[in-house]
Amino acid sequence: SQTIHQWPATLVQPVGSPLSLECTVEGTSNPNLYWYRQAAGRGLQLLFYSVGIGQISSEVPQNLSASRPQDRQFILSSKKLLLSDSGFYLCAWSSVINYGYTFGSGTRLTVV
Amino acid sequence: AQTVTQSQPEMSVQEAETVTLSCTYDTSENNYYLFWYKQPPSRQMILVIRQEAYKQQNATENRFSVNFQKAAKSFSLKISDSQLGDTAMYFCAFEGPSNYQLIWGAGTKLIIKP
Repeated sequence: SQTIHQWPATLVQPVGSPLSLECTVEGTSNPNLYWYRQAAGRGLQLLFYSVGIGQISSEVPQNLSASRPQDRQFILSSKKLLLSDSGFYLCAWSSVINYGYTFGSGTRLTVV
Repeated sequence: AQTVTQSQPEMSVQEAETVTLSCTYDTSENNYYLFWYKQPPSRQMILVIRQEAYKQQNATENRFSVNFQKAAKSFSLKISDSQLGDTAMYFCAFEGPSNYQLIWGAGTKLIIKP
């Protein structure tokens, strides 16, 4: 069966430090991969999506970047974190268009 | 552009009651897909139910069912015999036939009271 792993679960980082969040999918090949951010009590904001290795689409210009070095690996990065980068980050995948997403368990990032 | 609207920011009902969450959407597409997702306090996002627009029959998953009104562009979620574990944020989402992105509603916070 397909599973998605996202880590770490929580992270506290100082302003100006780098960031790397990782997401991997098992049990499927060539998934569509997504990074979302969710502010407390708010909806989901799509940050990046990828339909294949090395193919990244950015939805919101910001301090973050994404990479897909392998078929089932999706990484969210920042060179220098800002206070406004705090939030809950969710990775998701879909294997067939229109069948919905499966989400990771999320990372709670606090920038101090 | 497609939009999804959830007009109920928060609802609360007693355990075992039935509750209906509203969702409306706007699109010019004829074929599309609609979803309800649940996000409990753990914040794990869980797919509850999905509906293909070309199917007239309303989707059902155990205690969860939808009332899909294509002409009215309405997609409500009914939860029967509500349980304490149903307490969560519920998000309605839309996906067109040829894009890779879900369009999300703002969510409804549902509280089930004992």
